Amino acid sequence: QITLKESGPTLVKPTQTLTLTCTFSGFSLSTSGVGVGWIRQPPGKALEWLALIYWNDDKRYSPSLKSRLTITKDTSKNQVVLTMTNMDPVDTATYYCARLVGPDHDNWFDPWGQGTLVTVSS
Amino acid sequence: QSVLTQPPSVSGAPGQRVTISCTGSSSNIGAGYDVHWYQQLPGTAPKLLIYGNSNRPSGVPDRFSGSKSGTSASLAITGLQAEDEADYYCQSYDSSLSRVFGGGTKLTVL
Repeated sequence: QITLKESGPTLVKPTQTLTLTCTFSGFSLSTSGVGVGWIRQPPGKALEWLALIYWNDDKRYSPSLKSRLTITKDTSKNQVVLTMTNMDPVDTATYYCARLVGPDHDNWFDPWGQGTLVTVSS
Repeated sequence: QSVLTQPPSVSGAPGQRVTISCTGSSSNIGAGYDVHWYQQLPGTAPKLLIYGNSNRPSGVPDRFSGSKSGTSASLAITGLQAEDEADYYCQSYDSSLSRVFGGGTKLTVL
């Protein structure tokens, strides 16, 4: 059974850096073709893809957020970490991590973690 | 404004058939990239419904089907049930923006 779970602060102040951890089980990020992605969803709004990392440490970022995002992996701990700098109230959202499946460019997210709500407020 | 356009809402009575469209452009769906669909029940995380345009993961009822043509894709749900009431999202790849999602469609079962 494959599971993913997001963890991190529920409240951050504007201008602070957000660090979220995705801890997963049931698969390995050292296996060829495997990846993990981050997606967020502001309250009542649509999904937005943020970043992804592959087994070979290849990383991709949303062009609109690239300057603020960093994604890393710790294969030994089965974890993927996303950092987002200079947080703003508009970044308030539920942040999900998900396993990436399928060929590059045509891959999909399955399964997803339960998500963690991050509120940005002073 | 999402790169992939979906109708904000659709509705249907139990037992009916509904379709949800996902319209893209020549830089994403029209370029030949696959479309995937997710179902998000109220208060829960998205769940994969259709991958690779028309493939159902194990456990997804065959009432759900997907198709793609040109710069658009569609999700069809037949034999509508109350439990199908949810938000539905399409996802694809864009040559400029990488992974992209549609704006989501809220399905109401009347």
